[in-house]
Amino acid sequence: AQSVSQHNHHVILSEAASLELGCNYSYGGTVNLFWYVQYPGQHLQLLLKYFSGDPLVKGIKGFEAEFIKSKFSFNLRKPSVQWSDTAEYFCAVNAGDSGYALNFGKGTSLLVTP
Amino acid sequence: ETGVTQSPTHLIKTRGQQVTLRCSSQSGHNTVSWYQQALGQGPQFIFQYYREEENGRGNFPPRFSGLQFPNYSSELNVNALELDDSALYLCASSLDGWANNEQFFGPGTRLTVL
Repeated sequence: AQSVSQHNHHVILSEAASLELGCNYSYGGTVNLFWYVQYPGQHLQLLLKYFSGDPLVKGIKGFEAEFIKSKFSFNLRKPSVQWSDTAEYFCAVNAGDSGYALNFGKGTSLLVTP
Repeated sequence: ETGVTQSPTHLIKTRGQQVTLRCSSQSGHNTVSWYQQALGQGPQFIFQYYREEENGRGNFPPRFSGLQFPNYSSELNVNALELDDSALYLCASSLDGWANNEQFFGPGTRLTVL
């Protein structure tokens, strides 16, 4: 069965620090990859997505992610975090041949301190 | 453009009861997916409805059932509630039943089973 692993459950950073959140998945076929974010009191919203092409994907608010097929990874990065990036971050994978379901990781809670 | 809405916001039920949760999809979307998010976990796919038909189902028992109406709004019904059904239930709408069309999430319904 497909699984999605997020290595860091809780991350605390100071403003201006660099961020990298790990995501690995177990599926050998074609995949579509997503990072979602949930700010306190708000809905889940899409940060970025990868379907094909350039494995370095840029999303909203300065976030980017790199798909490394050989490592089954899709890590999220931001060079310099802000207090407003405090949120829960979820990696999600869709198996290209199953079409519909998003399989989510357990999430990483990020706290950015001033 | 109206986003995804869900009702009710919160609900408290006792074991053995039945519950119905409702979701209105974003304008123009014909696909609704339902997810269960237990505390400290990522969302888990329950099922998806595309043009009033169930389009795929996750690993949930038959007591979880759903409907989609001609206006593409949807209901999630859970019979014989168990304590473990306590969770945040998320609805997401998208276009044409494929996960590579972005899924837009609603705020969720918090269900507590006592």
